Amino acid sequence: DTAVSQTPKYLVTQMGNDKSIKCEQNLGHDTMYWYKQDSKKFLKIMFSYNNKELIINETVPNRFSPKSPDKAHLNLHINSLELGDSAVYFCASRTAGETQYFGPGTRLLVL
Amino acid sequence: QQPVQSPQAVILREGEDAVINCSSSKALYSVHWYRQKHGEAPVFLMILLKGGEQKGHDKISASFNEKKQQSSLYLTASQLSYSGTYFCGTELSRDGSEKLVFGKGTKLTVNP
Repeated sequence: DTAVSQTPKYLVTQMGNDKSIKCEQNLGHDTMYWYKQDSKKFLKIMFSYNNKELIINETVPNRFSPKSPDKAHLNLHINSLELGDSAVYFCASRTAGETQYFGPGTRLLVL
Repeated sequence: QQPVQSPQAVILREGEDAVINCSSSKALYSVHWYRQKHGEAPVFLMILLKGGEQKGHDKISASFNEKKQQSSLYLTASQLSYSGTYFCGTELSRDGSEKLVFGKGTKLTVNP
């Protein structure tokens, strides 16, 4: 029944490691997003994919690489994790002009 | 392009009313309102479209002033469950090429 799901929910790792976060939506939406929410609660968009095509790529370090194997999935791989990467990462999906739904979030802590 | 929300924070007693504003410097196609509780994901409240009507459900409603590019969220007779951070997200066009950009949020605390 879950509309937008993410795994894992929590991720604790050491600096320098590589990690991935997965996102899946079963709403049939065309567009999927990754947002980063830092300690100040600001929701900053990172990437957007429309039908597997990258359409938005904000100023994000190239250590972050999104991948969309199909319309329903958008994954985020992060290389060489840094302390500043600690945040909550939200996946979201929508169809243009309509409601955007967020996943439950992945809480990343880099030690 | 980021919308400006005001106030940054508001504290209410149960039963009081509040208004949260969201302003943009650009012409908007739509405004989306979300509420986020601590440790949870943002939850959709309502969407207001250019040329559309004022929306509302229960005691929460919103308006969209196209001339001013401003939306307001009205919370009347607030309940404890209204506590959280409210975000507005703005969209410049309908074609999907524009992202939904969020304001910095308004933290609402409702006390007994």
